[in-house]
Amino acid sequence: SQTIHQWPATLVQPVGSPLSLECTVEGTSNPNLYWYRQAAGRGLQLLFYSVGIGQISSEVPQNLSASRPQDRQFILSSKKLLLSDSGFYLCAYKLGTENSPLHFGNGTRLTVT
Amino acid sequence: QKEVEQDPGPLSVPEGAIVSLNCTYSNSAFQYFMWYRQYSRKGPELLMYTYSSGNKEDGRFTAQVDKSSKYISLFIRDSQPSDSATYLCAMSDHNFGKGTSLLVTP
Repeated sequence: SQTIHQWPATLVQPVGSPLSLECTVEGTSNPNLYWYRQAAGRGLQLLFYSVGIGQISSEVPQNLSASRPQDRQFILSSKKLLLSDSGFYLCAYKLGTENSPLHFGNGTRLTVT
Repeated sequence: QKEVEQDPGPLSVPEGAIVSLNCTYSNSAFQYFMWYRQYSRKGPELLMYTYSSGNKEDGRFTAQVDKSSKYISLFIRDSQPSDSATYLCAMSDHNFGKGTSLLVTP
């Protein structure tokens, strides 16, 4: 069976500092990988998704970037955090077809101070 | 008009009650429908996945899809305090409801 790992669980960073959140999936190969942000009262916002190594699609122009250096590794980064980057960041994977459901990690609570 | 609408609640029910959670959507092209359960400070967990109109049952949970009305529901029978969570509907990778907060009181 597949498992998804996200870390860290919580993070407090000052404005202007860099960010690196990591997500890995075990038990499968070539998953589709996703980064979402969940803000209170605003639902899930798709930030990036990837269908393969080095292939990144950005959904929302912003202060963040994503990379997929290995098949089962997805990284969310920022060079300089803004206050508005605070939120709950979720990594997810999908197997099979486009119509398959997403499976989420347990998220990273980011607070930018 | 937003593509997916979901009442945020909160919805509070006594233990043992039948719970009805609902979403409406505007895009008739949506073909598959999901319900996720999210506990506080955790990621969403897939509960139900349906690909057509009608009902799908899994234990105490029943998902219902009415494509003609663009309306989906999740029913929880014999609700338990452990069902207290936020329930999100989804129609695609891009289209999630904002979630309904459910509290089941002993």
